[in-house]
Amino acid sequence: DTEVTQTPKHLVMGMTNKKSLKCEQHMGHRAMYWYKQKAKKPPELMFVYSYEKLSINESVPSRFSPECPNSSLLNLHLHALQPEDSALYLCASSQRHRETGELFFGEGSRLTVL
Amino acid sequence: DAKTTQPTSMDCAEGRAANLPCNHSTISGNEYVYWYRQIHSQGPQYIIHGLKNNETNEMASLIITEDRKSSTLILPHATLRDTAVYYCIVNNYGQNFVFGPGTRLSVLP
Repeated sequence: DTEVTQTPKHLVMGMTNKKSLKCEQHMGHRAMYWYKQKAKKPPELMFVYSYEKLSINESVPSRFSPECPNSSLLNLHLHALQPEDSALYLCASSQRHRETGELFFGEGSRLTVL
Repeated sequence: DAKTTQPTSMDCAEGRAANLPCNHSTISGNEYVYWYRQIHSQGPQYIIHGLKNNETNEMASLIITEDRKSSTLILPHATLRDTAVYYCIVNNYGQNFVFGPGTRLSVLP
């Protein structure tokens, strides 16, 4: 199984809602990543988890709250978002953080904030 | 900083080889060159990576110049499904993958 699965594929939420994005991989990878991608822009790194611990937070606002319950799962909890947070949110995994090797990406969750 | 420069866009005729250049003049000795592509509305897909030797796999070939300051990704027989944004990334131990703007490749029938 070489897949990274993200759910939901599409999410529409209001600015007062609380929602979560989920990511799952069963490749035994110990590093997992959240990227944000605005239209016609490259992906931008948000968070890195290494061995289920938050390793990097790229100065992301606190309305985005990541969680790594176990080595296969990565969540991104969303609360009090702004319309400018509408984007494609991509999850990725790799064998280990900060080692050479490829990143495996999911198909993304497209978020629209009204 | 992405540390790479790529053309904004390129066209290629279907069935012909697509040659995508990337400049990475500040690459250091332990940095690898990675290529990813992103088909519209999908997640990025790994293509190939290399350190100093040329590499080939079932998707593409990677040619790295001897001074390692530039590289070329070659898709030998481009198809319409190869239309995508292609990202060239340099990365080494201790760094994160930073995506630059990439090259938008259009394969034309």
